[in-house]
Amino acid sequence: GAVVSQHPSRVICKSGTSVKIECRSLDFQATTMFWYRQFPKQSLMLMATSNEGSKATYEQGVEKDKFLINHASLTLSTLTVTSAHPEDSSFYICSARDLLAGGHSYNEQFFGPGTRLTVL
Amino acid sequence: DAKTTQPPSMDCAEGRAANLPCNHSTISGNEYVYWYRQIHSQGPQYIIHGLKNNETNEMASLIITEDRKSSTLILPHATLRDTAVYYCIAGRFNQFYFGTGTSLTVIP
Repeated sequence: GAVVSQHPSRVICKSGTSVKIECRSLDFQATTMFWYRQFPKQSLMLMATSNEGSKATYEQGVEKDKFLINHASLTLSTLTVTSAHPEDSSFYICSARDLLAGGHSYNEQFFGPGTRLTVL
Repeated sequence: DAKTTQPPSMDCAEGRAANLPCNHSTISGNEYVYWYRQIHSQGPQYIIHGLKNNETNEMASLIITEDRKSSTLILPHATLRDTAVYYCIAGRFNQFYFGTGTSLTVIP
């Protein structure tokens, strides 16, 4: 199957700093990438949909000025957590859809391995 | 996207079939049923998906009822490595809204 990578796999930062997380589709092109957040013992929560070359669409309750998303190419989307605070500590996961698979509605999303963010 | 309901946890003996149910009674006609699993601290792994017909691949089988209001994921011969949280998602390709999933424990 298609491979999605994330970098870094884990990051620890001080409160008030900004952290950038990269999501890459390694062997396919993705017009759409998705960002999720997962707190301990909870399910994945969709944060935003990232479309190449356009602004991201955020889910209700997700602050777009705090979670900056840039999808500059068909293989890279970045999530920047600005002015991070301890409550932002979470597991951040991205996923991507394969553009060349035809764009049919049944296309599965391929998920990255996740990034563990700890804000001190 | 349709809301899904799954039992919070299940046990299965190693080597036996694991049958994981999912209710999606509000699924619409153009929404698919997807199954993913997540092993601790990893990203979700795709298992299988379907629309109306039953589906089978190298990992599992998916049985969808005729009215499409529920489905069952079958792992034919569960191994210890199948211990994970299994998520059933009913929706289209653009947004996946995860429910709480079923925590499957395969017992030796």
